[in-house]
Amino acid sequence: NAGVTQTPKFQVLKTGQSMTLQCAQDMNHEYMSWYRQDPGMGLRLIHYSVGAGITDQGEVPNGYNVSRSTTEDFPLRLLSAAPSQTSVYFCASTRPGGEAFFGQGTRLTVV
Amino acid sequence: AQRVTQPEKLLSVFKGAPVELKCNYSYSGSPELFWYVQYSRQRLQLLLRHISRESIKGFTADLNKGETSFHLKKPFAQEEDSAMYYCALSGSNQGGKLIFGQGTELSVKP
Repeated sequence: NAGVTQTPKFQVLKTGQSMTLQCAQDMNHEYMSWYRQDPGMGLRLIHYSVGAGITDQGEVPNGYNVSRSTTEDFPLRLLSAAPSQTSVYFCASTRPGGEAFFGQGTRLTVV
Repeated sequence: AQRVTQPEKLLSVFKGAPVELKCNYSYSGSPELFWYVQYSRQRLQLLLRHISRESIKGFTADLNKGETSFHLKKPFAQEEDSAMYYCALSGSNQGGKLIFGQGTELSVKP
């Protein structure tokens, strides 16, 4: 059982480049989300989805886009990378009742 | 506003000492509270949740609605408890939306 698979593990981007962080889950959860983890700030919600075709903004959505065409996949797109987006990104899939399952994280550096 | 506060960035104790990681929350309603843990080089995972009232790896946490707290406790810390701990809140009828605290790094010294 793979759970939540998140790729890539590491990425270095130049300012202005775009990229997509991939996230897939095989638990048939309706709710999925993306967080960024920064020192001293905990995990902050970027975007979330309550099911295929439905997405909404979290606490820090600027500079990021998401889509949810299937229950399994929830990619996060950085439109034009900025140094302020240097962070560790986590995808999560949550089952009814609230337990979240996290991906292994993507360490992104924007230079 | 929904908010979770963990006042300690770093907590350092010796093996065998009691440990308490503090968590306070702000929420108008009946929240669900969780503790998540991230060991070195591993992904975040659920440690425990208030509605289950169970002890995991010797840790317990009691929801105190009067003080709006959900502190995590363990009577005798072990070196393998060294990790990053996050307190999180989910509001009723909010599906899986979680609000996290800033995190507390627990370091257990031999």
